[in-house]
Amino acid sequence: GENVEQHPSTLSVQEGDSAVIKCTYSDSASNYFPWYKQELGKRPQLIIDIRSNVGEKKDQRIAVTLNKTAKHFSLHITETQPEDSAVYFCAAPSVTGKLIFGQGTTLQVKP
Amino acid sequence: DTGVSQNPRHKITKRGQNVTFRCDPISEHNRLYWYRQTLGQGPEFLTYFQNEAQLEKSRLLSDRFSAERPKGSFSTLEIQRTEQGDSAMYLCASSPDALPYEQYFGPGTRLTVT
Repeated sequence: GENVEQHPSTLSVQEGDSAVIKCTYSDSASNYFPWYKQELGKRPQLIIDIRSNVGEKKDQRIAVTLNKTAKHFSLHITETQPEDSAVYFCAAPSVTGKLIFGQGTTLQVKP
Repeated sequence: DTGVSQNPRHKITKRGQNVTFRCDPISEHNRLYWYRQTLGQGPEFLTYFQNEAQLEKSRLLSDRFSAERPKGSFSTLEIQRTEQGDSAMYLCASSPDALPYEQYFGPGTRLTVT
């Protein structure tokens, strides 16, 4: 069935360090993988996405990598800042268009 | 504001009452999705529309839930005979046909059933 597993559930890093969040998916037909950032009490915001025809995508301090063979993708945040503290969700689409979300990772960046 | 909007932002209701939420998608987006999010969890899919057609409903969507998008623009989600387990954040998202998975979320409606 459709499933997205996300790890770790919580992540605490020192300001300036890197953070990595990993997700695995079950539907081999999935071809688009977004990452959302959700601050407390706010909407999930799309921060980066990757399509299956590329292995890596970067946008300033964030990057996403994709391994279609292993069916996993990861979010990398470099030079973390306190404002990066939030809950991050990965997602993968079903063939019908809905997104299946991971369980979320609470990232805490300590100043 | 050209983003997805939702009303009301908060709703407190007594068990057994009916509630209705509204979502206004980004104007050029044909696809509209409803998700439910409980504390500490990722959003869970409820239903989605392409224009006015409701194309998929989750098994989570009991017969107390109904959604409409009569003119292919805004959508409403109604919950009848609310239960305490319905307490959650109800999120709406929209996307264009050309990029159906690139979904942008509204601020959500937080429902508390007492």
